Amino acid sequence: DAKTTQPTSMDCAEGRAANLPCNHSTISGNEYVYWYRQIHSQGPQYIIHGLKNNETNEMASLIITEDRKSSTLILPHATLRDTAVYYCIVRSNNNDMRFGAGTRLTVKP
Amino acid sequence: NAGVTQTPKFQVLKTGQSMTLQCAQDMNHEYMSWYRQDPGMGLRLIHYSVGAGITDQGEVPNGYNVSRSTTEDFPLRLLSAAPSQTSVYFCASIGASSYNEQFFGPGTRLTVL
Repeated sequence: DAKTTQPTSMDCAEGRAANLPCNHSTISGNEYVYWYRQIHSQGPQYIIHGLKNNETNEMASLIITEDRKSSTLILPHATLRDTAVYYCIVRSNNNDMRFGAGTRLTVKP
Repeated sequence: NAGVTQTPKFQVLKTGQSMTLQCAQDMNHEYMSWYRQDPGMGLRLIHYSVGAGITDQGEVPNGYNVSRSTTEDFPLRLLSAAPSQTSVYFCASIGASSYNEQFFGPGTRLTVL
């Protein structure tokens, strides 16, 4: 299974864009990149996913490099409620999803 | 829809006791899974199931059993609880028609003394 590496923590000013990077250099051609976040001790929440093309939804944008070895999750206007741990995951064909330690994002006033 | 439900929310066990964590979903999802999350760490996959009657091991299956007799239910059994199994347990499901999103339950916080 492909693995991901993310920075341990990041800070972002409220109202500014938060850009969270993820490396997945061993990703296979048919594996998707997923992003989830976890606020406090709640269950993880789905944010967005993509294969090759950039994706955007009401929560965030996902930018995947052309070689697919890395991606960036963008929260365009971070709020205090976006403070959470963000997980970048590569999803295998059998739906097996392996969570790493994630990036702890702190949005500051 | 209630989504993914888990019971109990909290549980304290003594070493050597056995118990079953319950997980149910009412979305007719084929895929269900169990994760554990230790303090300050990410989620680790214990077991998963791609449909009724089919289960498979994840990253950390030792000490746990699962079964999937119905589409709705996916119980996790601790055979002989150990302090190392103190953790928060999350159940999740994915449907074939919602290939993108994995729905998580609220979690069960287990303490083994």
